[in-house]
Amino acid sequence: DTEVTQTPKHLVMGMTNKKSLKCEQHMGHRAMYWYKQKAKKPPELMFVYSYEKLSINESVPSRFSPECPNSSLLNLHLHALQPEDSALYLCASSQGTSGFVNTGELFFGEGSRLTVL
Amino acid sequence: ELKVEQNPLFLSMQEGKNYTIYCNYSTTSDRLYWYRQDPGKSLESLFVLLSNGAVKQEGRLMASLDTKARLSTLHITAAVHDLSATYFCAVDKNYGQNFVFGPGTRLSVLP
Repeated sequence: DTEVTQTPKHLVMGMTNKKSLKCEQHMGHRAMYWYKQKAKKPPELMFVYSYEKLSINESVPSRFSPECPNSSLLNLHLHALQPEDSALYLCASSQGTSGFVNTGELFFGEGSRLTVL
Repeated sequence: ELKVEQNPLFLSMQEGKNYTIYCNYSTTSDRLYWYRQDPGKSLESLFVLLSNGAVKQEGRLMASLDTKARLSTLHITAAVHDLSATYFCAVDKNYGQNFVFGPGTRLSVLP
């Protein structure tokens, strides 16, 4: 069982809707990530939060808005999406600090499959 | 810019056979990861390789890292159908701040 929990697992929305994807981890990790994955492609990094601060935004359109309320939670707010935004959205976490015991390994949630009509 | 390549991209093999998947990357890094993804599912961590010469084995899979050659291999021994999946290697240059995936190798093990 994954220790990174994502909700909802499936989401269908129209182009004028506003919805949110949620992610939660209880491993004490200090870095959290949003990735987007299209079919038959590798995951592509969207955002990185390190110690609850946005540290990387990979030129993602403003219709995607991340939020990190605390070190265990990560949200992705969606507004005015396009059909081409349909994809699997993966949340991940890692220890997030340099140091002897930090392997840098990413732990992924099950993903939220988004369909934009 | 960090680039990660995998070879082959598609692999169809018979049960019981051996094969190797290769992962090349473009810039210096000593942190490389292998993940498995089943269709419609998330990514499962297989191996974490953190130094030159690192070798890890789990069941029929063995991964190694040569940082001087910027090459990692994932060797499959006596393949079974359950190994059918897509395998991604990923390279990390900065503790998650630059974590780049290869394109993936789609493995199909035939009976």
